Amino acid sequence: DIVMTQSPDSLAVSLGERATINCKSSQSVFYSSNNKNYLAWYQQKPGQPPKLVIYWASTRESGVPDRFSGSGSGTDFTLTISSLQAEDVAVYYCQQYYSTSYTFGQGTKLEIK
Amino acid sequence: QLQESGPGLVKPSETLSLTCTVSGVSISSSSYYWGWIRQPPGKGLEWIGSFSYGGNTYYNPSLKRRVTMSVDTSENQFSLKLTSVTAGDTALYYCARSGDAYNPFDYWGQGTLVTVSS
Repeated sequence: DIVMTQSPDSLAVSLGERATINCKSSQSVFYSSNNKNYLAWYQQKPGQPPKLVIYWASTRESGVPDRFSGSGSGTDFTLTISSLQAEDVAVYYCQQYYSTSYTFGQGTKLEIK
Repeated sequence: QLQESGPGLVKPSETLSLTCTVSGVSISSSSYYWGWIRQPPGKGLEWIGSFSYGGNTYYNPSLKRRVTMSVDTSENQFSLKLTSVTAGDTALYYCARSGDAYNPFDYWGQGTLVTVSS
């Protein structure tokens, strides 16, 4: 299985400041034939199911605010929230879908400082 | 839309059975993949398995011996059976959809909590 490791486990950021969450995969999730990274980010708020935020490592899902961005390639990826809003408080998960034995990171809890 | 249903309490060593009712799209007429993901209380997400009607089925290797997924096209539902459950199988179980086998999960149900206890 591809192991996904996120850092940090928790993060406290002031409103309006930048939040950065990292995700590392144990092997590359980049497919050279289509130049895509098979990496997604989800946001999970308390009592709710996960919500897809970013896919193909950097494509925002429809309706997701543009303060959310994804970057990286191969084995190292980053989710950035450029200006943290109160409604962004959640646990964020990365997931690889390069292998059909899908795996998630352990999650990063994002809070307001 | 996806909606999970099933018993909220299962005894150890018994079989956990859940159903996901899909609305808005026919399971049998689409190329989507349909899957199950679980989340133990206070913990992270674990993928259980995914399938496409008329296509392939994939299971988490760590659960493969105990998992069966099936589909009921007349009710537009798909189901999960997990045998020989233990307390470690206590979790919130979600059903979800992906565009194909190599796409993320873009629609999720609200989840159903299953507790394994005698």
